[in-house]
Amino acid sequence: DQQVKQNSPSLSVQEGRISILNCDYTNSMFDYFLWYKKYPAEGPTFLISISSIKDKNEDGRFTVFLNKSAKHLSLHIVPSQPGDSAVYFCAASPLSGGYQKVTFGTGTKLQVIP
Amino acid sequence: EAGVAQSPRYKIIEKRQSVAFWCNPISGHATLYWYQQILGQGPKLLIQFQNNGVVDDSQLPKDRFSAERLKGVDSTLKIQPAKLEDSAVYLCASSFPTPGDTHFGPGTRLTVT
Repeated sequence: DQQVKQNSPSLSVQEGRISILNCDYTNSMFDYFLWYKKYPAEGPTFLISISSIKDKNEDGRFTVFLNKSAKHLSLHIVPSQPGDSAVYFCAASPLSGGYQKVTFGTGTKLQVIP
Repeated sequence: EAGVAQSPRYKIIEKRQSVAFWCNPISGHATLYWYQQILGQGPKLLIQFQNNGVVDDSQLPKDRFSAERLKGVDSTLKIQPAKLEDSAVYLCASSFPTPGDTHFGPGTRLTVT
């Protein structure tokens, strides 16, 4: 049962254009959402997050949008740079019990073409 | 700030053998996680510690996997005996109990032949 789904295993974008990575979830208990970036042979790195009380969070070139009614979130990278080439994981967590339990999606490999 | 340290980085064993992984979290992080990432999948939580107590081990195959976190700092994850399907990258992560600031180690790539 895949509770967090990233249906696009890969994405190629030209440098300078927008990259849009999508994520869907099924568990209504999720109320905190995160994006992680992973380079080969390294562990995932936290990128940006959003709580369910918001529908948008922006950090520099990275913006995450949340549509709770559709159980959908997306990560926008503008402008895309070659260094953004990596695997991006969407993750979600319920905020309860004083700690988080994070469920990851399967990842989308982004390639930014110079 | 030193990151999460893991060793070894790579390990190749035969099925039915035993293996152990070590993790040293970021100083001051009370929460420690072990994740299993099989090729083509996202990381799956195996066990989560708060200090030296287990808060979630619901997805840990307890017949062959064990983990401990002595003194609430370092942690070890053991597999005994290993199966072919245990081939994966084992990621250790640590955090304060605040969502978002979870730091991952580089992982240990295990190959079971």
